[in-house]
Amino acid sequence: SQTIHQWPATLVQPVGSPLSLECTVEGTSNPNLYWYRQAAGRGLQLLFYSVGIGQISSEVPQNLSASRPQDRQFILSSKKLLLSDSGFYLCAWTRGRGTGELFFGEGSRLTVL
Amino acid sequence: AQKITQTQPGMFVQEKEAVTLDCTYDTSDPSYGLFWYKQPSSGEMIFLIYQGSYDQQNATEGRYSLNFQKARKSANLVISASQLGDSAMYFCAMRELSNTDKLIFGTGTRLQVFP
Repeated sequence: SQTIHQWPATLVQPVGSPLSLECTVEGTSNPNLYWYRQAAGRGLQLLFYSVGIGQISSEVPQNLSASRPQDRQFILSSKKLLLSDSGFYLCAWTRGRGTGELFFGEGSRLTVL
Repeated sequence: AQKITQTQPGMFVQEKEAVTLDCTYDTSDPSYGLFWYKQPSSGEMIFLIYQGSYDQQNATEGRYSLNFQKARKSANLVISASQLGDSAMYFCAMRELSNTDKLIFGTGTRLQVFP
């Protein structure tokens, strides 16, 4: 069966520090991968999505970046965090070019102080 | 441009009653999928129901049904016989199938079920 994991689950970082959130999918190949951010009490904002290794589409210009070094690995990074980067980050995957649902990771709660 | 709109920030419903959560969408892609997700206070995202743009019948999953009106570009979620455990945030989402593979979400509706 397919599983998705992201870590760390909780992170408290000072302004200006770097960030790395990692997401891996098991039990499938060539998934579409997504990073979403959810501010407190708000909806999900699509940040990045990827349909293959090294293929990253950015939806919102900001100081975050994403990489997909392997088929089932998706990494969200920042060189210098801002206060506004605080939020709940969700990684998700779906089968490529199909009608399948989106499967979500457990989420990573980031607080920037 | 691809867009999802949920105009109800919050809804209240009495236990055992039915409730409709509204969702409208906009896309130029003739092939798309519509989803509803539930997010309880724990933060996890729970898939509820899916409707394809070419599906002839409205999707149903247990107490959940999707009122799909293609001409009006609406995909409302109907929850029948509400339960206290239905209290959560509900998100409508759309995935374009012909062009990009973006999957975007609406801003959500907070549903509260009271006894």
